[in-house]
Amino acid sequence: DAGVIQSPRHEVTEMGQEVTLRCKPISGHNSLFWYRQTMMRGLELLIYFNNNVPIDDSGMPEDRFSAKMPNASFSTLKIQPSEPRDSAVYFCASSLGTSGGLYPQETQYFGPGTRLLVL
Amino acid sequence: AQSVTQLGSHVSVSEGALVLLRCNYSSSVPPYLFWYVQYPNQGLQLLLKYTSAATLVKGINGFEAEFKKSETSFHLTKPSAHMSDAAEYFCAVWYNQGGKLIFGQGTELSVKP
Repeated sequence: DAGVIQSPRHEVTEMGQEVTLRCKPISGHNSLFWYRQTMMRGLELLIYFNNNVPIDDSGMPEDRFSAKMPNASFSTLKIQPSEPRDSAVYFCASSLGTSGGLYPQETQYFGPGTRLLVL
Repeated sequence: AQSVTQLGSHVSVSEGALVLLRCNYSSSVPPYLFWYVQYPNQGLQLLLKYTSAATLVKGINGFEAEFKKSETSFHLTKPSAHMSDAAEYFCAVWYNQGGKLIFGQGTELSVKP
């Protein structure tokens, strides 16, 4: 299996620009998670989906952030407009389970991350 | 609220020495606990998890962790460090209300020759 695929791996943009991060979960997985990792705040859950439906987006920092999952094999995280404080590594993870990630037995598999730098 | 604290942001050991990475949790209910490893420029990989079965959990790469309820701890150990163990290690607790993993701040492990 190819694992979780994220693109791009690196993104450098200027403040005010729109940024779109992409994720392809492991085939057959029904839950998808977006995380952000920074030195100051560590690893934070932004949002997660089960069967393409957003379950909890309480971690999304503000309205500039939005996430979609139009089908079982693709998700996007969009930042518009981007700001320097959005600079971080963004991880996507997926899992398989009947509860949609609500049971801890459902291991999350992480992608390699997208390293975002907003100038 | 559930939280997890990792003691020591950086640990350095010699090759062949014991590895001990500390993790304490706070939880009002029996927790589910995890250790993840992150190698440079890579995503997180599950090392092991505790889900209320045996208190001593064995994971990949020779790591193990022991759940101690009385100490609210879930420390990660490995008897003999290898150079390839150099990475960042994250302890995480499962947050029942909402199905979330709450991660600690991470501990960077360095292994000296």
